[in-house]
Parts: sequence; C-alpha cells; structure tokens
Amino acid sequence: GEDVEQSLFLSVREGDSSVINCTYTDSSSTYLYWYKQEPGAGLQLLTYIFSNMDMKQDQRLTVLLNKKDKHLSLRIADTQTGDSAIYFCAEIHPSGNTPLVFGKGTRLSVIA
Amino acid sequence: NAGVTQTPKFQVLKTGQSMTLQCAQDMNHNSMYWYRQDPGMGLRLIYYSASEGTTDKGEVPNGYNVSRLNKREFSLRLESAAPSQTSVYFCASGDKYEQYFGPGTRLTVT
Repeated sequence: GEDVEQSLFLSVREGDSSVINCTYTDSSSTYLYWYKQEPGAGLQLLTYIFSNMDMKQDQRLTVLLNKKDKHLSLRIADTQTGDSAIYFCAEIHPSGNTPLVFGKGTRLSVIA
Repeated sequence: NAGVTQTPKFQVLKTGQSMTLQCAQDMNHNSMYWYRQDPGMGLRLIYYSASEGTTDKGEVPNGYNVSRLNKREFSLRLESAAPSQTSVYFCASGDKYEQYFGPGTRLTVT
C-alpha cells in the first residue's frame, strides 16, 4: 500500500539551508508534492515535481527526487523565520483525481 | 476568486449534538475531499467525491456522512458528535493532479 514517511522535527538557524526529507513507497506515483502549513492556517501548495524529473528549482526552493530510492527532499536556501511551519510531503496515484497520501509532516523551527 | 471556503471557522459542540460543516469551491474542480488533522497523525481522509453525484469513503469515515450538493459544494455531517471527533477539518478540491485546501474548521466536542 501507499505510505509516506517524514521526520517530525527540524531546527535550523536563520540564514542556513534547510533540507526536509521524505520517503514514499508507491513507485508508480506520478506527482510528488510539498505543502506548507503555517500556524492556524490551511495547507498551501508550495511546489510539486513530476516523476520523470530529478530536480526542480523555484527561487529559494529546490526539490530533488531519487526514484530508485523513492526519496524526495525539499531544500530551502537562506532560511528565514517566516519559513517556520509544518511541511507535508504527499504523493498521488498515477490515475489522478484521487486523494493525496500525506506524510505526518515535518515541523521546521527557524532560530534567529 | 475565493478558492476553497469553509464555514464555520470554529465550533464547540456537546457530545451527541449534530452539525454540518460546509465547503465550497469556485475553481470548477471535479473532485472534493474532507480530511481531519490531529496532532502527530498528519492528515487523514474522511470522504471524497470524485465527481458530482459520487462519494467514497476514505481512511476514517465512521461517524461522518457527506453530501455532494452540486459541483461547487461538499458538506460533512456529524450526526452525533463524540469527543474523539475533536479535530481540525480541512476541505480540499482538485482536478487531476492538483489539490487546494480551505482554511479549516476547528471543532471541539466536549
């Protein structure tokens, strides 16, 4: 069955890079996602990567995908206090139009 | 373009009371979803609707019912609330490979 695993906590200093890791089990996943949840808010789609890509960069965000190891990572460069949030990794069944399967989320704390 | 809206934002119920959580989207999406979020549990799917007129159970459907009223609206009903249903409820909508979330409803059952 599908399963997505993430470490629960990460703490970094302001200005450093953050790397949030995720592993998934469904090798047929078509898209993999990163969502951000700020305190008291809903989930915001940050970025996603198609399974035929190895890397996707969007300003301070870099997503790396290792399909062989079923490993996804999100790197945030020059981490700011505003990046403090919970980050969720998610995958979707190849047919689409199905619910996302989420990890439990990684709480990123940025220390000034 | 409001995206996904949910009402109410907060609610306190007594055990045994009933209520309906409302969700609407203005993005013309076919699929809509209800999740609950509990500390340390991530998001768990309650029900979803792949298209108008269809609904399917998710991981934790017990104690809930849903109605896909039309393409825009998908409601979640608690017939007899229990303390175990204290949670934050999120509605989402999407098409094919995209899903967008509402701001959530924080429900406390005492």
